[in-house]
Amino acid sequence: AQSVTQLGSHVSVSEGALVLLRCNYSSSVPPYLFWYVQYPNQGLQLLLKYTTGATLVKGINGFEAEFKKSETSFHLTKPSAHMSDAAEYFCAVSGSSGYSTLTFGKGTMLLVSP
Amino acid sequence: SAVISQKPSRDICQRGTSLTIQCQVDSQVTMMFWYRQQPGQSLTLIATANQGSEATYESGFVIDKFPISRPNLTFSTLTVSNMSPEDSSIYLCSVVIGTGGGQPQHFGDGTRLSIL
Repeated sequence: AQSVTQLGSHVSVSEGALVLLRCNYSSSVPPYLFWYVQYPNQGLQLLLKYTTGATLVKGINGFEAEFKKSETSFHLTKPSAHMSDAAEYFCAVSGSSGYSTLTFGKGTMLLVSP
Repeated sequence: SAVISQKPSRDICQRGTSLTIQCQVDSQVTMMFWYRQQPGQSLTLIATANQGSEATYESGFVIDKFPISRPNLTFSTLTVSNMSPEDSSIYLCSVVIGTGGGQPQHFGDGTRLSIL
């Protein structure tokens, strides 16, 4: 069984500041990890994923995430926030034994102020 | 990735009625899923749509309430039956392209459903 915990339902940053969205997971097998973004009135868009290999994963729009097995974490970062980054972000986990379904965290709303 | 089209994009329905949501993909996909996203909440998996056979439902979701069809590798429908205000949600379809673990799911834009 898998679960995802996203710390902070809302995160507020100023434009140009560092973005850090936290995600911790629980999985009984080696996990695959994903970050998705949802803009208003849209579906979910894949930002990045970790499957195997390099633990620092780069995604779209300048985001990156680091898989830390010892901390069971997969935090999402971006060095400098833009106003256009304001959206809801979801962390998700699936098991690595064949294809298994995604388990989503509750989401974190990122607010960016000028 | 693939282009995923959901119809309708939004609807307002009367309680007791049913609505069928369509999900069309521009290429053949290996797996299709249906999710519900209640207001201000995360995504909950309703079922996996299996091509040519009955869908696989998650705990808490039943076929009588959410019948699903998937006649081919590019199309699926979800019906929300006998709707009540508690069914007001966003319904999203997602697809997996390719095989093997770690393949991401790609999502349609969702159907925003309000029940009066």
